[in-house]
Amino acid sequence: DIQMTQSPSSLSASVGDRVTITCRASQGIRNDLGWYQQKPGKAPKRLIYAASSLHSGVPSRFSGSGSGTEFTLTISSLQPEDFATYYCLQHNTYPRTFGQGTKVEIK
Amino acid sequence: EVQLVESGGGLVKPGGSLRLSCAASGFTFSSYSMNWVRQAPGKGLEWVSFISTTSGYKYYADSVKGRFTISRDNAKNSLFLQMNSLRAEDTAVYYCAREGIVARPDQMFDYWGQGTLVTVSS
Repeated sequence: DIQMTQSPSSLSASVGDRVTITCRASQGIRNDLGWYQQKPGKAPKRLIYAASSLHSGVPSRFSGSGSGTEFTLTISSLQPEDFATYYCLQHNTYPRTFGQGTKVEIK
Repeated sequence: EVQLVESGGGLVKPGGSLRLSCAASGFTFSSYSMNWVRQAPGKGLEWVSFISTTSGYKYYADSVKGRFTISRDNAKNSLFLQMNSLRAEDTAVYYCAREGIVARPDQMFDYWGQGTLVTVSS
């Protein structure tokens, strides 16, 4: 199985900060990776697909990069509505696997 | 508008069974593979199972293999998860999520339902 190691597990940041979250795959997955945002009690919402493409309707302050084994989600200027938990998901092979999640909290 | 609506969750005793449903609308259901993903209370997301468009391929997480069965009815735009021999560790919110073809990464896990809660407890 492919392991997705996501870091950090949590972070505190202020509105306007630049935030970076990383996912490392235990083996190469090309760019078969998505990033998701989840708020308490809600279903995950996709932000990024194919590692770097912005999902329709998602603000441009969100961006993704990487290929192979190392991937990054960046929020260029954190907004109040961005405080949530973020997950990466690899869909290169079965079983599909998620990162452990990163909780972004208000500093 | 794409909609996925799960139902069938509830409280069940250890060793019991439950059948979840996911009703799809707003897209051509038979053209998409589908998945079940779950989330235990306060925990992260865990992929559970996959079914291809014509049910020819089915995959399961090791944690549910032999106990859960995924199926679909394309005529009724519905996805199912039959869960048997339930354990306390199966307690979770269960989501259905659609998956497009490999050549369409924009359709991979792009839409999710709102989830249905399964609680396994005596």
